[in-house]
Amino acid sequence: EAEVAQSPRYKITEKSQAVAFWCDPISGHATLYWYRQILGQGPELLVQFQDESVVDDSQLPKDRFSAERLKGVDSTLKIQPAELGDSAMYLCASSLYERYTEAFFGQGTRLTVV
Amino acid sequence: AQSVTQLGSHVSVSEGALVLLRCNYSSSVPPYLFWYVQYPNQGLQLLLKYTTGATLVKGINGFEAEFKKSETSFHLTKPSAHMSDAAEYFCAVNAGNMLTFGGGTRLMVKP
Repeated sequence: EAEVAQSPRYKITEKSQAVAFWCDPISGHATLYWYRQILGQGPELLVQFQDESVVDDSQLPKDRFSAERLKGVDSTLKIQPAELGDSAMYLCASSLYERYTEAFFGQGTRLTVV
Repeated sequence: AQSVTQLGSHVSVSEGALVLLRCNYSSSVPPYLFWYVQYPNQGLQLLLKYTTGATLVKGINGFEAEFKKSETSFHLTKPSAHMSDAAEYFCAVNAGNMLTFGGGTRLMVKP
């Protein structure tokens, strides 16, 4: 069964360092989402891509976060510099179409900033 | 704008008892509604979804949910809880081009 692949699964980094996460969506899925999930809360959308274009990044802290999906396939989310408050689970998801279809999630990357 | 409210951040039931997890949504257009389950340190797995048509939808692991437009609700139920149902459950709404999640409900199952 096709899956959304994310790496790494776990990442520990020091405050002020740079960190990057990678996501490979299910083949053929045009929409890709990055969510941040703080422990005990629901996922919050950081950025949404339709193919290689950003559809929504209104909640992305652009002073330190960046995301790209250059060829409309896999995607990278970067944080520079990392802050203690960035400790969270970062989830990638993909779906066939932008509207009204369910998203399939990867296993997530658990980030701990020390 | 759209939003999701899950009533009760923690729900505890005994094994074999009815499970009821509550979800209310707000949306300016007809929504598509989803329930996801998350186990510790894992991603989210789709339990069931409502798009159009029948308002009672059945999902995996014996769960079902009923869409009630008049009440703007999409509550999740299971007749008999199993220990393996202990997890975090998230209700989500897509009323356009964004998938928005509720805060989640942690289900605990007592032996």
